Amino acid sequence: GENVEQHPSTLSVQEGDSAVIKCTYSDSASNYFPWYKQELGKGPQLIIDIRSNVGEKKDQRIAVTLNKTAKHFSLHITETQPEDSAVYFCAASEGGADGLTFGKGTHLIIQP
Amino acid sequence: DAGVIQSPRHEVTEMGQEVTLRCKPISGHNSLFWYRQTMMRGLELLIYFNNNVPIDDSGMPEDRFSAKMPNASFSTLKIQPSEPRDSAVYFCASSTPSGGAYQETQYFGPGTRLLVL
Repeated sequence: GENVEQHPSTLSVQEGDSAVIKCTYSDSASNYFPWYKQELGKGPQLIIDIRSNVGEKKDQRIAVTLNKTAKHFSLHITETQPEDSAVYFCAASEGGADGLTFGKGTHLIIQP
Repeated sequence: DAGVIQSPRHEVTEMGQEVTLRCKPISGHNSLFWYRQTMMRGLELLIYFNNNVPIDDSGMPEDRFSAKMPNASFSTLKIQPSEPRDSAVYFCASSTPSGGAYQETQYFGPGTRLLVL
């Protein structure tokens, strides 16, 4: 089955700086890679996703890159703000109507 | 749209008791997923349904766990008998029909926080 590794487990950055979270996956058949943000006491919320037919996707301050050859993908958040503080999860799926395999999460802390 | 609805939000029970968690997916979504979140194991897929039919239950930890989806707007996850190690947050998620090779976005509910004493 799929295995997703996520690093770092904790990331502390100064407000206004950029944050990068990296994930690797094991199953070359995986073709869908979402990123979720989870705030305390809430369910995960999708912030951006990428499919294997593209290498990069951007949505305002958030971008995701995918390297299929190396089987890794990354989340980039620029101009970080206090409200970006949360736990971020990467995930992978083989597509269709399959379930997601999640990484262990990154606790992002934005220092004022 | 109300989003995915889960009940109860919190459940405290004693070891050996039966626990039933409930989920109402977003209207029009035909795929439903149950996940469990713990500090040790993170977010794990337990089971998922397409068009009310269970597709993959390989993540269900033991026979004590069972899930049903009697219709398109309701699903239950039952633990009988419950044990302290079942303490976790249980999430339900739903998605629209997949039109091709790629997964559609999964929308998560707020979760049920279960504590088994």
